[in-house]
Parts: sequence; structure tokens; C-alpha cells
Amino acid sequence: EVQLLESGGGLVKPGGSLTLSCTASGFRFSSESMNWVRQAPGKGLEWVSSISGRSDYIYYADSVKGRFTISRDNAKKSLFLQLNSLSVEDTAVYYCASHECGPGSCYFPYWGQGVLVTVSS
Amino acid sequence: DIQMTQSPSSLSASVGDRVTIACRASQSISSYLNWYQQRPGKPPKLLIYAASTLQRGVPSRFSGSGSGAVFTLTISGLQPEDFATYYCQQTNSNPTTFGGGTRVEIK
Repeated sequence: EVQLLESGGGLVKPGGSLTLSCTASGFRFSSESMNWVRQAPGKGLEWVSSISGRSDYIYYADSVKGRFTISRDNAKKSLFLQLNSLSVEDTAVYYCASHECGPGSCYFPYWGQGVLVTVSS
Repeated sequence: DIQMTQSPSSLSASVGDRVTIACRASQSISSYLNWYQQRPGKPPKLLIYAASTLQRGVPSRFSGSGSGAVFTLTISGLQPEDFATYYCQQTNSNPTTFGGGTRVEIK
């Protein structure tokens, strides 16, 4: 059974930093690209960042570029997101999601339960 | 970035109804279109990928169609557990983008 478990969320002041973690099990973690997707309270889904299996391809949304850093440790089957220079607009539930591609599309088949990041003074 | 527009943003329906949700891309995305269901307080769940392929374990009352820039998700025979918010997602080009969501409520 595939499981993704996020941790590291919490309350942080504007301008502060936080590191989120996602621990994976049940699939070949090192072979799969991974993503972070966030959802502000009462709002829709926003893709944040993705990283390939060997960390050779990394992408960020414009809204977080230069402030967030995605990384992974395949030996520990873990995905990370370092959040710096946080603002109230970054308040959201952050999900890690796996990434697969097949004929005709790429998609996010598995998601963690999410971790809440609240940025407030 | 490719903009994804869903309609309607919300709808009310009864158990047993047939429901159709539309998703339009700002440019052609071939079949790189996925649908997710999200219940309150839960993560999104993949329903359909590649516009019309049902994810393993998803009931056959869910179906998807379309290609290019116009897509639909149909629920044939709405069940109580289907009341949720549905999102489309394009993965044709970076960054991947989601539609704004369609909330399906009980009439």
C-alpha cells in the first residue's frame, strides 16, 4: 500500500522559515518524480514544486521561486520542502503527491494527508 | 501558463442524478487532462487521467471525455459519497495547473 506522510507544519511569523518533510512507502520512491501542492483555506489547488527521481529536474511555481527549495533523500524515501521568507499568502495545507506518466498524460496518483502551514504575526 | 476554467463552480443535485462538469483549457492540451475528487478535510483523489482513463478502484459511474481544449467529467447515478469538490488538472506543459473546482452539493 502506498503511503505518503507529511510533517513539519506549524505556525510561523511572516519572514520566517519552515521545512516540510514527506516520508514515502509502498512504491519505488527513487524512480518517481514527486510534487508539492498547496491549498489555501477555502481555496483551490496550487502546484508548488516538483523534483525528478534523481533530482536532476526541479521546477517551481513563480509564486515561490527563490523562496522555497525542494529536495529529496532517496535512501530515506523522503521528500522535503524548505520554505523561506514566508508571507501570509503562503498559509495553506501542503500536500506531497507522487507523479506518474503513461500514454496520454502525467498525473498525481497518490497524495499525503497534508500538513498545515500558518503564517501569522 | 495554461489557464483551466471549470463550469459550473457549484451545482446542486440529488442522489441518482447524472451530473456533468466541464473543464476548458486556454490552449490545446491534447489528452493531458486529469480529474480529482476532494472531500472536505481530505486530500485529492485521482479519478481519471489522460482525459478518459479510469484510475484503478474508481467506480465506473465516473467517466471522462474530451480532447484538445474541452473536457467533461460525468457522474452517472450520483451517490451520497460523491458529494465533494472536483478539480481538473492539465499536465501538458509546465507548470501544471488546476481548474478552480466544482462543488457538488446535495439538493
